[in-house]
Amino acid sequence: GENVEQHPSTLSVQEGDSAVIKCTYSDSASNYFPWYKQELGKRPQLIIDIRSNVGEKKDQRIAVTLNKTAKHFSLHITETQPEDSAVYFCAARFGNEKLTFGTGTRLTIIP
Amino acid sequence: NAGVTQTPKFQVLKTGQSMTLQCAQDMNHEYMSWYRQDPGMGLRLIHYSVGAGITDQGEVPNGYNVSRSTTEDFPLRLLSAAPSQTSVYFCASSGTGSPDTQYFGPGTRLTVL
Repeated sequence: GENVEQHPSTLSVQEGDSAVIKCTYSDSASNYFPWYKQELGKRPQLIIDIRSNVGEKKDQRIAVTLNKTAKHFSLHITETQPEDSAVYFCAARFGNEKLTFGTGTRLTIIP
Repeated sequence: NAGVTQTPKFQVLKTGQSMTLQCAQDMNHEYMSWYRQDPGMGLRLIHYSVGAGITDQGEVPNGYNVSRSTTEDFPLRLLSAAPSQTSVYFCASSGTGSPDTQYFGPGTRLTVL
């Protein structure tokens, strides 16, 4: 089955700086890669996703890049703000099969 | 729309007890799933369903049963609770027959003593 590795497990950045979280996947046929944000005590919520026919997608301060050759994808958050502090999960899906999640990155924004 | 709802929010069980975690969605979603979340281990899929009457196992199905008699409801049953099942449980749904853009419920925090 699919295996997703996520790094780093924790990340602290100064407010205003950029944050990058990276994930690698094992199944080259995976075609859908979402990112979820989970605030403390809350449910995971989709923040951005990308499909295998696209190399990059942006939504305001967040962007996701996909390198199919290397089988990795990354989340980029620019101009970080205190409300960006949360746990972020990447995931990958092969065809119409189930999502496989990474183990999460705890992002802390330092004021 | 209420979205995805889960009950109860918190539950404490003794080893060997049984219980059902309830999940319902009012978005007419075909795909529903159950995850457990443990510290440092992300979200692991327990069981999922691509439509009423169809269920399948995920990554960690042992000790759990599910059924999907209606599109709206997808209960998760623990037949004989064990301390290893202490976790936060999330139900999720998505609009197509595949796990695209999943909407999560608020979660159930379960402690097994």
